[in-house]
Amino acid sequence: NAGVTQTPKFQVLKTGQSMTLQCAQDMNHEYMSWYRQDPGMGLRLIHYSVGAGITDQGEVPNGYNVSRSTTEDFPLRLLSAAPSQTSVYFCASSLESSGNTIYFGEGSWLTVV
Amino acid sequence: SQQGEEDPQALSIQEGENATMNCSYKTSINNLQWYRQNSGRGLVHLILIRSNEREKHSGRLRVTLDTSKKSSSLLITASRAADTASYFCATPRGSARQLTFGSGTQLTVLP
Repeated sequence: NAGVTQTPKFQVLKTGQSMTLQCAQDMNHEYMSWYRQDPGMGLRLIHYSVGAGITDQGEVPNGYNVSRSTTEDFPLRLLSAAPSQTSVYFCASSLESSGNTIYFGEGSWLTVV
Repeated sequence: SQQGEEDPQALSIQEGENATMNCSYKTSINNLQWYRQNSGRGLVHLILIRSNEREKHSGRLRVTLDTSKKSSSLLITASRAADTASYFCATPRGSARQLTFGSGTQLTVLP
């Protein structure tokens, strides 16, 4: 198993550009989520999905869209990038969030200039 | 708002010493998890302790949970340079399908 795979690893965007961070898992996990990590802030939940076709907002959803057309994939879209979205983004998956191990991707470093 | 808060924010010790990190949280939980993050990498699950457990061991890791004080501690015994990383506690949030992470403790183990 490859686990949770995120692409790209690094990306520089100009303000106003859009892009998609890709996330795929091969563990047949129902639950997938996106977090952002900023210095001194820990991880904050952006969006999550409990299964194909189902998504919901987390703590900091503004400026991001997600979709879950398949169990394996959970892309995160930045609609119009802003400097405040400069961060490290982590995708994660699990069988269920509470009480089970969450598996994280290696992160995507995004800089918006 | 963050549910879990780690203390201290940074800890520097010599190899072979024990490292203790604490986590405080605000609301009732049914479990608490600890994760490690090496620099530039994703988070790795270390251990989960349930609300009806007071202590749990995994190798050189010892986790305690005091639900009356809403606090948990992570003890790493006989630390190694490879233990240098950030350590986060995480607690269920909302419908319990989400986790809330603290801001982490940066542990440096000096050789």
